[in-house]
Formats: sequence, structure tokens, C-alpha cells
Amino acid sequence: GQNIDQPTEMTATEGAIVQINCTYQTSGFNGLFWYQQHAGEAPTFLSYNVLDGLEEKGRFSSFLSRSKGYSYLLLKELQMKDSASYLCAVRVLTDSWGKLQFGAGTQVVVTP
Amino acid sequence: GAVVSQHPSRVICKSGTSVKIECRSLDFQATTMFWYRQFPKQSLMLMATSNEGSKATYEQGVEKDKFLINHASLTLSTLTVTSAHPEDSSFYICSASDPNSSYNEQFFGPGTRLTVL
Repeated sequence: GQNIDQPTEMTATEGAIVQINCTYQTSGFNGLFWYQQHAGEAPTFLSYNVLDGLEEKGRFSSFLSRSKGYSYLLLKELQMKDSASYLCAVRVLTDSWGKLQFGAGTQVVVTP
Repeated sequence: GAVVSQHPSRVICKSGTSVKIECRSLDFQATTMFWYRQFPKQSLMLMATSNEGSKATYEQGVEKDKFLINHASLTLSTLTVTSAHPEDSSFYICSASDPNSSYNEQFFGPGTRLTVL
């Protein structure tokens, strides 16, 4: 099976920066996704990394090191609406399609 | 991005009844759809992978006779929870892969909250 670990909860103040780490052990790695999920809603896509390095997308950036089995999601200039669960998901190749294995999610609480 | 819908959004049923959940890709054709279950404060657990026109592939521990999946067209997959029991109460989410998207990522439906009394 796959082991995907991320912290359970993080708290930060509005305007600050928060970094959510994700470590994984997997075979058939085919990319790592970060999703945002508000309570009772579907996950929405934030970022994707398949090669080592940093991908920047506005206030959100994601980093990947395949050799270390490590990724992080960086949220800058935090806003209250960023309070949500952030899911790290590894795509693994199986047969002709790739399936996602999710971490348990990191609940980010943004305080005024 | 691509849009995936699910229906119903909420359903309450009596123990022993069957419930059907529909998942539709609205603006793209999805050869592969996925069904997940999520318990409160837990992550998404993949239940099965559904390919159009063929039998679904179930994850270990998921009963295929209890969770019937039909992928009748390139835009519709259904999950039927048969003889539902209170322990089946959960948040069920489908997703669909858009082969034309930048990363062949999965787009998620809004989820169905199932409560079995």
C-alpha cells in the first residue's frame, strides 16, 4: 500500500504564510496533487508536481522532491477563506489509468 | 475547469433499502470515473475505478455486490448502495478524469451525503 503522511492541523493568522508538508512512500509514482476541500464539499484542484522543483501559482506554491518522497504546499498572504482541509494525493500507475491515494488531510485554520 | 455533477446531494433512507447515486461529467467525456467514500475528518478512500463499457475495478475490502457500479456512457457512472445499513452512512464522492486536461487530473463531484437510519 501507499503511506502518505501530512500534519493533522495547522493554525496561522491572516496575512501570514503556512507550509504544509507531505511525505509519501509509494511505487509507480506518477505525480503528486494538492487539493483544497471545504467541509462538506468536493475537493478542488490546487497544484500538480511530477518533476522535482517548485511550481508557483499565485498565492499557492508546491514543491516536490521525488528522491526524498517529499512535497510541500505553501500558502502565502493567508485569507480567512483559506481555512479548509488540504489534501496531498499521490497518483500511481495501475494498468491503463492512474489512481489517486490521498493523505488524511491537513486542516488549516486561519485566525484574524 | 471541467465540471462533474452528482445527484442527489443528500439522501436519507431506511436500513435495508437501496440507494442510487449518479455522477455525470457535464462538459467532457470521461472514460474513467472513480468512486470515493469519506468519513468525518478522514481522507478520501478510493472504493472503485469505473471504465465505460467494462466492469469496475474494486479496491481491496470493498464488496462489489454491495456497491454496484455501472458506467453506461462516457458521461455517466452510477453507484448503487444495496441493502444499506447505518455503517454505510458516509460522504460519497465521484471524480472523472479528463484526458484533455493539462495533467489528466481528476475533477470531483460535489458529493452525496448518505444517511441510513
